[in-house]
Amino acid sequence: EAQVTQNPRYLITVTGKKLTVTCSQNMNHEYMSWYRQDPGLGLRQIYYSMNVEVTDKGDVPEGYKVSRKEKRNFPLILESPSPNQTSLYFCASSAGGAGYGYTFGSGTRLTVV
Amino acid sequence: EDQVTQSPEALRLQEGESSSLNCSYTVSGLRGLFWYRQDPGKGPEFLFTLYSAGEEKEKERLKATLTKKESFLHITAPKPEDSATYLCAVQGRSGTYKYIFGTGTRLKVLA
Repeated sequence: EAQVTQNPRYLITVTGKKLTVTCSQNMNHEYMSWYRQDPGLGLRQIYYSMNVEVTDKGDVPEGYKVSRKEKRNFPLILESPSPNQTSLYFCASSAGGAGYGYTFGSGTRLTVV
Repeated sequence: EDQVTQSPEALRLQEGESSSLNCSYTVSGLRGLFWYRQDPGKGPEFLFTLYSAGEEKEKERLKATLTKKESFLHITAPKPEDSATYLCAVQGRSGTYKYIFGTGTRLKVLA
């Protein structure tokens, strides 16, 4: 089944403790992206990657890191999480940038206390 | 600056009561306008891409249309299972493959 898999689904952590949210897709998509979703603000792009070793900042990149060492994986790293990073996070992939719809993962609900 | 505004924020319909959701957009050259459906606790699910004014796409009870300033998602004779949040997004020709999402319309269809 074609899908984007994120782990974990739920995570509660403390301020400053480094964490990684994994994302993997099995569709051989070149384009991958991370979004956060907050009430009233909608989906906002954190980082995106157009191919292996090619990443760029989205609208809200502060406090996040990403890497794209393999085509299928695109982990999101929070080096020193803070409470304002409490949010619902989605990884998504697409066959191409122009006009192709995203396939989204099921989401990771992160709480930073 | 690219921008997407969806209205209404929430909509309650009786089963069978047709209606439309609106997505107004401002973008520097439209590469594509997208509609997604999102169920509670799940990731958005892709519905349609529209590329140019005048284009229409249909899927079951849903029909999406596009003008130069807005898109409509028409829901004909909705059923309770159509209850979800519907998201609109645009992709401009700004040089990056960035999508700008609206905040969505929460649709509730009552039996």
